[in-house]
Amino acid sequence: DGGITQSPKYLFRKEGQNVTLSCEQNLNHDAMYWYRQDPGQGLRLIYYSQIVNDFQKGDIAEGYSVSREKKESFPLTVTSAQKNPTAFYLCASRGAGLGETQYFGPGTRLLVL
Amino acid sequence: GENVEQHPSTLSVQEGDSAVIKCTYSDSASNYFPWYKQELGKGPQLIIDIRSNVGEKKDQRIAVTLNKTAKHFSLHITETQPEDSAVYFCAASTGSGGYQKVTFGIGTKLQVIP
Repeated sequence: DGGITQSPKYLFRKEGQNVTLSCEQNLNHDAMYWYRQDPGQGLRLIYYSQIVNDFQKGDIAEGYSVSREKKESFPLTVTSAQKNPTAFYLCASRGAGLGETQYFGPGTRLLVL
Repeated sequence: GENVEQHPSTLSVQEGDSAVIKCTYSDSASNYFPWYKQELGKGPQLIIDIRSNVGEKKDQRIAVTLNKTAKHFSLHITETQPEDSAVYFCAASTGSGGYQKVTFGIGTKLQVIP
């Protein structure tokens, strides 16, 4: 069953804590993305990676970090520097080529205790 | 950079009626325009897309039109059903080769009233 998986579905963060969101894909896609979704603001790009061991900041990277050690995995860490982390986080991947579609995972909802 | 505006933000229609959602984009280099449907608590799912060399595309009850000159594209859903109720996002994509920059609209919440 091919696709993108994200875990956990819900995540709770305490003040000053770093938390890591998992994203795995078995679509053999080169590019992977992390978006943040807030009500009324659509999808905003946090980080993206076009290839293993390479990643670039998106529009709202402050307070977040990523790694891309394996093609199929692109974890996102929400650090304590992110002062307003409560949001729905979406991971996406895309195959190579011009105009290829981005496919999304089911999302992780992060809540602050 | 690219800017995508989407209207309306909410839309209520009676079951069986048609629904139209409109988007405009600013970057004339944008060449790929996907539409996503997002149900509550789930990730967006691609429902239809169109490339810049095509003016219209249809898939059963869903169609998308693109006017490159005016830089706008629209989603048309005919014979709406309650299961069409969701948030719909348009997007415009710019890029070539390995990198693709995708800019999303803010979404339209569609409610189909039985």
